[in-house]
Amino acid sequence: DGGITQSPKYLFRKEGQNVTLSCEQNLNHDAMYWYRQDPGQGLRLIYYSQIVNDFQKGDIAEGYSVSREKKESFPLTVTSAQKNPTAFYLCASSIAQNTEAFFGQGTRLTVV
Amino acid sequence: GQQVMQIPQYQHVQEGEDFTTYCNSSTTLSNIQWYKQRPGGHPVFLIQLVKSGEVKKQKRLTFQFGEAKKNSSLHITATQTTDVGTYFCALDSGTYKYIFGTGTRLKVLA
Repeated sequence: DGGITQSPKYLFRKEGQNVTLSCEQNLNHDAMYWYRQDPGQGLRLIYYSQIVNDFQKGDIAEGYSVSREKKESFPLTVTSAQKNPTAFYLCASSIAQNTEAFFGQGTRLTVV
Repeated sequence: GQQVMQIPQYQHVQEGEDFTTYCNSSTTLSNIQWYKQRPGGHPVFLIQLVKSGEVKKQKRLTFQFGEAKKNSSLHITATQTTDVGTYFCALDSGTYKYIFGTGTRLKVLA
């Protein structure tokens, strides 16, 4: 089955620790995205990548980092510099510009 | 930068009533997409509108793109409990960067 897989579904971390969220897709999509969603809020773009080995900052990139070494994978690291990391993180991909985005199931990160 | 306002923020309706959410942009759009997110779930693509004045239907859902391509609406006729969720509009800023509206959370009372 083709799709986007995010893992883990739930993640708990201590304050001050870096944590990496996984996102893998087998849809052969060039573009991938990371969004953050806070309770009752919309989606805010953290980073996006149009192609392998290239990525761009979104609207709220501070405290986050990404890599795109393979077409299928776009991991997101939440660093200790992110002041309020507790949120629902969604990864998405699309085949090209102006096409629908496919989302993963999301990772709910709680920092204690 | 580009802003996408969505209204209302919340809507509670009785089952069988109609529902409409509106999406307004500060700039002219090349296209607009609509997504639905069920409670606890992830956004799922519903439709994309491209042409000025375009109207598309999916069963009880009607999507409209404004003549000036600055606004869009989603109308649900005779809501059902399965319509519960948050409806987002999203626009492509032109560089693979999808910007999502704030969403309208729909609650349907049986």
